Amino acid sequence: DIQMTQSPSTLSASVGDRVTITCRASQNIKFWLAWYQQKPGKPPKLLIYETSSLESGVPSRFSGSGSGTEFTLTIGSLQPDDFATYYCQHYVGYSATFGQGTKVEIK
Amino acid sequence: EVQLLESGGGLVQPGGSLRLSCAASGFSFSAYAMNWVRQAPGKGLEWVSGISKSGVNTYYAEALKGQFTISRDNSKNTLYLQMNNLRAEDTAIYYCAKERFMTTVADNFDYWGQGTLVTVSS
Repeated sequence: DIQMTQSPSTLSASVGDRVTITCRASQNIKFWLAWYQQKPGKPPKLLIYETSSLESGVPSRFSGSGSGTEFTLTIGSLQPDDFATYYCQHYVGYSATFGQGTKVEIK
Repeated sequence: EVQLLESGGGLVQPGGSLRLSCAASGFSFSAYAMNWVRQAPGKGLEWVSGISKSGVNTYYAEALKGQFTISRDNSKNTLYLQMNNLRAEDTAIYYCAKERFMTTVADNFDYWGQGTLVTVSS
């Protein structure tokens, strides 16, 4: 099974900061990776699919990149609404695997 | 507006069974695969199961094969998850999630319900 490992587990940042979250796959997953944002008590929200495609309605300060085994989610300028937990998700062959999550906290 | 409303959660004893439902509205239900994703309290997300738009093909997380059964009734716009032989580690919020693309299963999930809590405890 492919394992997805996110880093860091927790990130402290200030409004306006550029934030980068990394997701590493245990083997080559090409570009089959998505990112979700989850706030407390709410379901996850799809931000990015196929590594870098921005979901409709998601602000352009969010971007994704990478390929193979290493991927990043970047928030260009952190906004108050962005403090949340972020999950990467690999999908292939009728199965999906999530990373363990990265919590973005207020510094 | 797409809406997914889960129901059927609750407290169940170890070894017991429960059937979750997810009522869908606001989109052509029969045109999309659907999924269940769970989240244990304070933990991360775990994909549980997916089902093709026709309901013919079903898929499960390896560890849950044989314990859970996913199904759907397109005439009722409803997704189901039958859970048997429940254990404490199955305690979680169970979300139903709509597939983003019409041609995929267990890929990207663009709409989620609010979830239903299943607690397995004696």
